[in-house]
Amino acid sequence: NAGVTQTPKFQVLKTGQSMTLQCAQDMNHNSMYWYRQDPGMGLRLIYYSASEGTTDKGEVPNGYNVSRLNKREFSLRLESAAPSQTSVYFCASSRTGWGNQPQHFGDGTRLSIL
Amino acid sequence: TQLLEQSPQFLSIQEGENLTVYCNSSSVFSSLQWYRQEPGEGPVLLVTVVTGGEVKKLKRLTFQFGDARKDSSLHITAAQPGDTGLYLCAGPDSNYQLIWGAGTKLIIKP
Repeated sequence: NAGVTQTPKFQVLKTGQSMTLQCAQDMNHNSMYWYRQDPGMGLRLIYYSASEGTTDKGEVPNGYNVSRLNKREFSLRLESAAPSQTSVYFCASSRTGWGNQPQHFGDGTRLSIL
Repeated sequence: TQLLEQSPQFLSIQEGENLTVYCNSSSVFSSLQWYRQEPGEGPVLLVTVVTGGEVKKLKRLTFQFGDARKDSSLHITAAQPGDTGLYLCAGPDSNYQLIWGAGTKLIIKP
């Protein structure tokens, strides 16, 4: 049982380049999330999808777009990468979108923008 | 704005010692979750506390939810090197999304 799978694990980009981070879950969860984690700041929600076909902005959505491709997959796109987007990105899923549900995380994508 | 403040930010102790870390807020939460994150991995849920005053035990880890549901603590008895990691607390905001504390980085030295 793979759980939540993120690709790639590492990526280095130049300022202005674009890329898409991929996330897939095999737990039949309805809700999926994208977070970024920076030192000393905990996890900050970028976008979430409460259910297939819906997406909503989180705390820090600027510079990002998302696509809920189907129930399993939720991708995060950086259209024009900036050094401030250097971070570790985590995808998570939960059975429902209620905040008391446990979230299951992938192992992260470590992204550096030069 | 709901905030969760964790203390201490960093703790390094010897194997066998006891420790307590804290998660505090000025807001009431319907529940709080505790996660542990190891280097290079995503957070993993340890426990969810729901009722004010609730105490939950997970082997040597004891979690308590404050009576007013504004704070929580994690106590580790006889810490072991395997307890090393980043401990995060999280609780649902008014939009039912989790907000996260910045974490306590715990190092247990052999």
